[in-house]
Amino acid sequence: VQLVESGGGLVQPGRSLKLSCAASGFTFTDYYMAWVRQAPKKGLEWVATISTRGTTTYYPDSVRGRFTISRDYAKSSLYLQMNSLKSEDTATYYCARHGQRINFDNWGQGVMVTVSS
Amino acid sequence: DIQMTQSPASLSASLGETVSIECLASEGISNDLAWYQKKSGKSPHLLIYTTSRLQDGVPSRFSGSGSGTRYSLKISGMQPEDEADYFCQQSYKYPLTFGSGTKLEIK
Repeated sequence: VQLVESGGGLVQPGRSLKLSCAASGFTFTDYYMAWVRQAPKKGLEWVATISTRGTTTYYPDSVRGRFTISRDYAKSSLYLQMNSLKSEDTATYYCARHGQRINFDNWGQGVMVTVSS
Repeated sequence: DIQMTQSPASLSASLGETVSIECLASEGISNDLAWYQKKSGKSPHLLIYTTSRLQDGVPSRFSGSGSGTRYSLKISGMQPEDEADYFCQQSYKYPLTFGSGTKLEIK
């Protein structure tokens, strides 16, 4: 299993950014996928989940309405569109595969997003 | 939302010592509890799921137990490579929530 994130960087408050995650080594269509983040010196925070067919998505209140998770089966890729970014969205973002239960059994290496003027 | 209260926040242990970390859920989570290890500069790694099931490749010195709202992770015989942050996560329902983490260091 390999998950490789890209698209991070420095962005101004209120602007948008889109993260990508290239998945390989497993049948992408068989798994729910997710994004989890960790702000500097903070704990882990779940950000979004998408179902196997992409028809159902889940978000915590902290990002609902601003972030959108999506997936492309042809490219075996996962995405996170982040709009109206805030300084508190500054974190390392991890792409993760959901396991048998809604835990996270494989993680990418992470990509840093810094929201600052 | 289910709150996960993890303790202690930090812990130091000697090599070979047995250590325990606890998580208390704000409501019953029917054993849907996972534990992760995160080393500095690395991505998190699933250790245990469904309270006590060891993920493939995880050393047997790691074990999990609990029920209802109380869960714990035990490391039987601290090793140098166990120095890391540990997080619990309830996988019972959305929104998924993590404990605040335990920093485990070698004494």
